[in-house]
Amino acid sequence: AQSVTQLDSHVSVSEGTPVLLRCNYSSSYSPSLFWYVQHPNKGLQLLLKYTSAATLVKGINGFEAEFKKSETSFHLTKPSAHMSDAAEYFCVVSDRASGTYKYIFGTGTRLKVLA
Amino acid sequence: DTGVSQDPRHKITKRGQNVTFRCDPISEHNRLYWYRQTLGQGPEFLTYFQNEAQLEKSRLLSNRFSAERPKGSFSTLEIQRTEQGDSAMYLCASSLVSPGGGVTSYNEQFFGPGTRLTVL
Repeated sequence: AQSVTQLDSHVSVSEGTPVLLRCNYSSSYSPSLFWYVQHPNKGLQLLLKYTSAATLVKGINGFEAEFKKSETSFHLTKPSAHMSDAAEYFCVVSDRASGTYKYIFGTGTRLKVLA
Repeated sequence: DTGVSQDPRHKITKRGQNVTFRCDPISEHNRLYWYRQTLGQGPEFLTYFQNEAQLEKSRLLSNRFSAERPKGSFSTLEIQRTEQGDSAMYLCASSLVSPGGGVTSYNEQFFGPGTRLTVL
C-alpha cells in the first residue's frame, strides 16, 4: 500500500529564513509525488510534482523538493520564507499501483511565518 | 482558478435532510475524483469516475452517499439523511488519463474550490 507521512504537523519560521517541510513516502512502484498548498478558504494549489525526470524539482513561488529514493523522502524547501507562505501544505502520492491514480494525502503541515 | 468548478460553495442543512453537490471538471478530462476533508485533516478519497463509469468507491462512502456522472461530464454527489458527522469540505478534482492506461502528466489532478457542508 502506498502512503505518505508528514513528519511535522506545525512548523514556525521567521520571515526571510529557510523553510523545510518533511515528507516520507511508502510505495511499491516508482512513485508519483506532489506537494499542494491550501490557503485559508482557498482551494488546493499544486506547488510541484515529481515526474522521475529529475530528482530536484522546482515549483512555484520559489519552492523546491528533492526526491531521495534511498531515504524514501520528498522534503519541501524554500530558501527564504515570505509572510504569504503561511498556509497548510500537503504531501501527496498518486496510487499508480492500483491504476486508480487516486491521491493519498498526508495529514498536512501548517506553516506559520513570523514577522 | 484551475478550471474546475463546484456548486454550491457552502451548504448548511439540518440533520436528516438530503443534499446534492455538483462538480464541473475541465472539459477534456476523462477522470473525476471526489474527496472529503474534515477539519485539521488531509483530504480522503471517496470515489472516482472514468468517463461515466464509477470505478471505485471508498469504504468511507456509506450507502447514504451516491455519486453520478451521467454523460461523462459534470458529476453530482448526493448525501441522503445527513448526519452531523458528514460536516466537511467536499472536493472534486479532474485529470486526464490515456485510454490505454498510461499516465498523462503523471495524473496531475486539478481541484475545485470545494463545497463546505455544515450539518446542524
